[in-house]
Amino acid sequence: AQSVTQPDIHITVSEGASLELRCNYSYGATPYLFWYVQSPGQGLQLLLKYFSGDTLVQGIKGFEAEFKRSQSSFNLRKPSVHWSDAAEYFCAVVNTNAGKSTFGDGTTLTVKP
Amino acid sequence: GAGVSQTPSNKVTEKGKYVELRCDPISGHTALYWYRQSLGQGPEFLIYFQGTGAADDSGLPNDRFFAVRPEGSVSTLKIQRTERGDSAVYLCASSLTSGTTDTQYFGPGTRLTVL
Repeated sequence: AQSVTQPDIHITVSEGASLELRCNYSYGATPYLFWYVQSPGQGLQLLLKYFSGDTLVQGIKGFEAEFKRSQSSFNLRKPSVHWSDAAEYFCAVVNTNAGKSTFGDGTTLTVKP
Repeated sequence: GAGVSQTPSNKVTEKGKYVELRCDPISGHTALYWYRQSLGQGPEFLIYFQGTGAADDSGLPNDRFFAVRPEGSVSTLKIQRTERGDSAVYLCASSLTSGTTDTQYFGPGTRLTVL
């Protein structure tokens, strides 16, 4: 069965600092991977997705993620964090038979001024 | 254009009562998904519809949970004999098709509290 692990429950970074959120997946075939952001009271918003091709994918709001098959990882990065990036971030893998997603338990990002 | 909407935004009920949660997907989206998000956890898949039919209901926890989408648009998640453990945020998402590469657009969720 597919699964997603986000090892860091909570991360705090200073505004302007770089950010990396970790995601490890378990899936038998080529995974389809996603990162979402969820702000309080808001729905999940898609940041970026990986299906195939270039292993470095660019997303919205200046985020990028790198797929590393050898490490079963899909870490999310941003070179310079803004206070508005404070939110909860979820990594997900999609079942290739249909669109149902398996999510990690999320990482809460706090941004210090 | 309008996104996915869910009503009510909050629902408080008593143990044993029946509740209905509604999801209005983006117009033209044929696939609709329900997820449940408990405190401190990621969304957990419940059921998805392709058109009017439930294509996969493997995530429904037990037979107290049921969902319908009679006209292929609006969907209702129904929970009978609610229990305190049902308290969670129920998320709905829609996508153009059920293809794995299609982006799922999420609604803001319904927060269900069972007292």
